[in-house]
Amino acid sequence: NAGVTQTPKFQVLKTGQSMTLQCAQDMNHEYMSWYRQDPGMGLRLIHYSVGAGITDQGEVPNGYNVSRSTTEDFPLRLLSAAPSQTSVYFCASRGGSGNTDTQYFGPGTRLTVL
Amino acid sequence: AQKVTQAQTEISVVEKEDVTLDCVYETRDTTYYLFWYKQPPSGELVFLIRRNSFDEQNEISGRYSWNFQKSTSSFNFTITASQVVDSAVYFCALRGNQGGKLIFGQGTELSVKP
Repeated sequence: NAGVTQTPKFQVLKTGQSMTLQCAQDMNHEYMSWYRQDPGMGLRLIHYSVGAGITDQGEVPNGYNVSRSTTEDFPLRLLSAAPSQTSVYFCASRGGSGNTDTQYFGPGTRLTVL
Repeated sequence: AQKVTQAQTEISVVEKEDVTLDCVYETRDTTYYLFWYKQPPSGELVFLIRRNSFDEQNEISGRYSWNFQKSTSSFNFTITASQVVDSAVYFCALRGNQGGKLIFGQGTELSVKP
């Protein structure tokens, strides 16, 4: 298993550009999430999904869209990038019908918005 | 609302010292799950431990030990005989009964000097 994969690893955007951060997992996990990590603020939840076709907002959803058309993929879209979205983005997944399984993280995408 | 507080922003110790990282949480859920993750300088998030709210047994894994106390809403992490390779940012996290939502503390940066 590759686990949780994210692409790209690094990205530089100009203000106003749009892009999609890709996330995929090959563990047949139901739950997938996107977090952003900023200095001194830990990781904050952007959006999450409890299964294909179901998504919901986390703590900081503004400026981001998600969809979950398959179990494997959970892309994060930036509609119009802003400098405030400069951050490291982590995708995570976990399995299980209950709440017991551990959440595993991808390697992260470092995004800079100029 | 759920919240995780790691009051220690940075800790610096000399190799072989013991060090305890504090974690205090808030939740109204009667069933919840607590986690510790390690983020080394390379940036990935490494799972260390999961603890269920109904299991207050302390756990030891090699040089690592965890002290879970529901009475004080704390889940502290101790590294015995610290090593330089323990240098990292450590995150405490909480998940209640709400799907994939994992709430993180701000993180504690541990520096172990030779």
